[in-house]
Amino acid sequence: GQNIDQPTEMTATEGAIVQINCTYQTSGFNGLFWYQQHAGEAPTFLSYNVLDGLEEKGRFSSFLSRSKGYSYLLLKELQMKDSASYLCAVTDFSNDYKLSFGAGTTVTVRA
Amino acid sequence: NAGVMQNPRHLVRRRGQEARLRCSPMKGHSHVYWYRQLPEEGLKFMVYLQKENIIDESGMPKERFSAEFPKEGPSILRIQQVVRGDSAAYFCASSPPVPGTASHEQYFGPGTRLTVT
Repeated sequence: GQNIDQPTEMTATEGAIVQINCTYQTSGFNGLFWYQQHAGEAPTFLSYNVLDGLEEKGRFSSFLSRSKGYSYLLLKELQMKDSASYLCAVTDFSNDYKLSFGAGTTVTVRA
Repeated sequence: NAGVMQNPRHLVRRRGQEARLRCSPMKGHSHVYWYRQLPEEGLKFMVYLQKENIIDESGMPKERFSAEFPKEGPSILRIQQVVRGDSAAYFCASSPPVPGTASHEQYFGPGTRLTVT
């Protein structure tokens, strides 16, 4: 199975940058996903990394190092609406449809 | 294009009753996945279905839980004789019928919050 760790909570100020780390252990790694989930709502897809490096998408970037079993999600120019839970998930080759999630990191943006 | 629909959004059941959770996938999607989210825990995979077929039910508890995705109509997650430990948010996701990339495009519904009293 997979073992996925991410911090429980983070707090940052509006306009700042926050980096959410995720470490994972899995056999046959096949990709890492980040989702955003506002309280009481559906998780929404943010990013997908399968190769090492940084993927940038507007204010959000995601980084992957397969050799270290490590990823981070970088949120820039924080806005109040970015207050949410951020979920790290991985898949492996044997079941590439099965997302294995971490417990999520709750980010609170303060004015 | 409507997203994944789930109903009801909130469901309250007494211990021993049955719970039926419904999921209508996005238009054109024929793959459905159910996940459970317990308080303070991550989403846990339960089952993966295609029309009229259960592909992987390795995450389903062995008893009381069943799932179906009939040729017509929504996917149903059924929990018989509910217990307090079944209280959780149940999320459905769907993806288009493209082999090998299912996980890349899972779109989640808003979830059903089940409370067992």
